[in-house]
Amino acid sequence: DQQVKQNSPSLSVQEGRISILNCDYTNSMFDYFLWYKKYPAEGPTFLISISSIKDKNEDGRFTVFLNKSAKHLSLHIVPSQPGDSAVYFCAARASGTSYGKLTFGQGTILTVHP
Amino acid sequence: EAQVTQNPRYLITVTGKKLTVTCSQNMNHEYMSWYRQDPGLGLRQIYYSMNVEVTDKGDVPEGYKVSRKEKRNFPLILESPSPNQTSLYFCASSPSGKRPQYFGPGTRLLVL
Repeated sequence: DQQVKQNSPSLSVQEGRISILNCDYTNSMFDYFLWYKKYPAEGPTFLISISSIKDKNEDGRFTVFLNKSAKHLSLHIVPSQPGDSAVYFCAARASGTSYGKLTFGQGTILTVHP
Repeated sequence: EAQVTQNPRYLITVTGKKLTVTCSQNMNHEYMSWYRQDPGLGLRQIYYSMNVEVTDKGDVPEGYKVSRKEKRNFPLILESPSPNQTSLYFCASSPSGKRPQYFGPGTRLLVL
């Protein structure tokens, strides 16, 4: 039972254009969402997060949008750069006593072409 | 340098031979966690620890053990490894369970 789903295994974008990575979740108890980026042969690194009390969070070129009614979040990268090519994972955490438990999606491979 | 270290980075073993993957962090973090990454499945949490002597199961704990006797170390133990535990393993730490995690470089395990 995949509670966090990234339905696009890969995305290819031209440098300078917008990259939009999507993530859907099923557990209504999730209240905090994160995006991680992973390069080959390295561990994931934290990119940006959003709490369920917000619907948007921005950090430089990265913006995360949360649509609670649709149980959907997206990561926008503008403008995309070749160095953004990596695997992107979304993750979600529930409130309450199990907030240490983190559920990840399957990942989306982003390729940004020069 | 603030970091999470894992050892070994690569390991080939045989079915049933007990092994331990070590994880250490030098950031005085209270929270530590183990994940496995498999193609098409993303990262799945195995166990996590909110503090010393406090551990809890993640989504795929079967076949694994952990212990948290000191704050900086969180070893992952496979008492009797099986081929379906062939995977890429990541350890992570965080100041608390509510903060983003720092990941180690990964340990690639092959069980024959």
